[in-house]
Amino acid sequence: GQNIDQPTEMTATEGAIVQINCTYQTSGFNGLFWYQQHAGEAPTFLSYNVLDGLEEKGRFSSFLSRSKGYSYLLLKELQMKDSASYLCAGLNTGGFKTIFGAGTRLFVKA
Amino acid sequence: GAGVSQTPSNKVTEKGKYVELRCDPISGHTALYWYRQSLGQGPEFLIYFQGTGAADDSGLPNDRFFAVRPEGSVSTLKIQRTERGDSAVYLCASSLTKVGGGSAGELFFGEGSRLTVL
Repeated sequence: GQNIDQPTEMTATEGAIVQINCTYQTSGFNGLFWYQQHAGEAPTFLSYNVLDGLEEKGRFSSFLSRSKGYSYLLLKELQMKDSASYLCAGLNTGGFKTIFGAGTRLFVKA
Repeated sequence: GAGVSQTPSNKVTEKGKYVELRCDPISGHTALYWYRQSLGQGPEFLIYFQGTGAADDSGLPNDRFFAVRPEGSVSTLKIQRTERGDSAVYLCASSLTKVGGGSAGELFFGEGSRLTVL
């Protein structure tokens, strides 16, 4: 199977740091994506990890451990506009099919 | 165009009817995907095209669903004998290529077609 698991909801405070975790079955995927989706809008690409380690991009960072089937998205200096769903997605071993988790709804409060 | 364009943005139909949903990908993107998203869920893979051919249609739920991309650009998702359970947002996405060649293969999504079957 190609299960991708992530928490359903998280709440954090403006200005804080939040980490959204994602676990997946290692046999199915070559790399991990994170997408952001605001309510009523299309998903937009945030990051892609194919090698182990941390990739930093401004306020957002993404980490991957392939041996553990684990990834996280780290959001720093949270802003109200960061309230959205964050989708963890695996790229299948064929290299063309992206499989999405159910998403984590992040609520940022003042 | 500048982005992925999907029409119609909203479609309300009656159970048993036929519907077509259209996707116009980003110019030059050879890969095109259809996903279906229900409320509170992530996008569910339906079908993938590389050029004109359906490289993987394993996500199509049954034979009422069919998709074409005759000239390797615009794609149409066709649903026959619609059922209430088909109600969802149908998302189209395109990408420059599959992973490799300097591209992460990230998907560029359209705004979706919201299908409601009464």
